[in-house]
Amino acid sequence: KQEVTQIPAALSVPEGENLVLNCSFTDSAIYNLQWFRQDPGKGLTSLLLIQSSQREQTSGRLNASLDKSSGRSTLYIAASQPGDSATYLCAYKLSFGAGTTVTVRA
Amino acid sequence: GAGVSQSPRYKVAKRGQDVALRCDPISGHVSLFWYQQALGQGPEFLTYFQNEAQLDKSGLPSDRFFAERPEGSVSTLKIQRTQQEDSAVYLCASSDGRRYGYEQYFGPGTRLTVT
Repeated sequence: KQEVTQIPAALSVPEGENLVLNCSFTDSAIYNLQWFRQDPGKGLTSLLLIQSSQREQTSGRLNASLDKSSGRSTLYIAASQPGDSATYLCAYKLSFGAGTTVTVRA
Repeated sequence: GAGVSQSPRYKVAKRGQDVALRCDPISGHVSLFWYQQALGQGPEFLTYFQNEAQLDKSGLPSDRFFAERPEGSVSTLKIQRTQQEDSAVYLCASSDGRRYGYEQYFGPGTRLTVT
């Protein structure tokens, strides 16, 4: 079974700081990887999909990179805002990490 | 509809009761996935449909869990003789790609509580 690990499990930062969230998986990265956001009591919202042939994908303040050789993906959120507070999950093939819970302090 | 919808949003069942959870995927999406999410955990894969064919049911935890998608659109996840360990949020996702790796769109989930 595919293992997906997310570090750290929780993160608290002051507003304006950049966020770095890590995701690692055990495979040869032949599939796409997707990052999601989940607010308490809600479903998952897709943030970015990185195709296996890509190295990174950007959307606004979000940038996700994919390093196939090391089996890692990193989600960067620039200039964090209190509204960015949520749990961020990565998914590879059909496996999800447990998520990183982010709190951005005003 | 604009997105994936699920019903009911909340379900309370007494231990031993059968429950049925419904998922309406995005119109035209070929692939449909069911996941189970325990509190504080990431979603765990249950089963996958491509149109009406159930191609992967490796994640179903027991034979009490059954899923169908008879016309290749709406899907129902049925849990027979519910147990307390079945309490979780059940998430449905759809995708316009075949198999894995395509962008998945999730519904709001059904929170099942077994008492």
